[in-house]
Amino acid sequence: GQNIDQPTEMTATEGAIVQINCTYQTSGFNGLFWYQQHAGEAPTFLSYNVLDGLEEKGRFSSFLSRSKGYSYLLLKELQMKDSASYLCAVRDSNYQLIWGAGTKLIIKP
Amino acid sequence: GAVVSQHPSRVICKSGTSVKIECRSLDFQATTMFWYRQFPKQSLMLMATSNEGSKATYEQGVEKDKFLINHASLTLSTLTVTSAHPEDSSFYICSAVAVRGTGNQPQHFGDGTRLSIL
Repeated sequence: GQNIDQPTEMTATEGAIVQINCTYQTSGFNGLFWYQQHAGEAPTFLSYNVLDGLEEKGRFSSFLSRSKGYSYLLLKELQMKDSASYLCAVRDSNYQLIWGAGTKLIIKP
Repeated sequence: GAVVSQHPSRVICKSGTSVKIECRSLDFQATTMFWYRQFPKQSLMLMATSNEGSKATYEQGVEKDKFLINHASLTLSTLTVTSAHPEDSSFYICSAVAVRGTGNQPQHFGDGTRLSIL
């Protein structure tokens, strides 16, 4: 079966750095997405990885290792507004998007 | 760019009512739109995939006669919850993928519709 694993919840301090991991087992691979979802709101697109390596976008970076079925989202200089759920999603060989359950990130002052 | 508009944002209605939710891609054409529902503190659950000009593909366990989907144009898809009951109360979210290419196009989400059936 297809499976995406990410931690349920993480806590970090304002101004610090946090890394949210995602491991996946899917039928084929056509890219990995990270989304941010604030409580009561729809998800917003953060990043896309299809080749191995690091993609940097401001305070957020996303890393992919296809051989390991592994990705992480790195958030630097954490701000209180970064408190949200972070969803990892993989597009499989049929271009279906398989969603992880999300990681709830709690930022403390 | 890549704005998706979803309307209405909130609906409160009586049991037995049918509710229509619209999803529009405002600045791009979307061959494919997706409908999700999300219960509190749970992840997104894909209900159906909607392709312009063809019948929607429903996920296992989703009743196609209860959740009617129409994707009449490259910018509009609608979801109608027929004869809604309290157990249908949920957060319904649509997303759309742009026409150009298939590889790296993310899904862009509407703001969601919070449906409450009394």
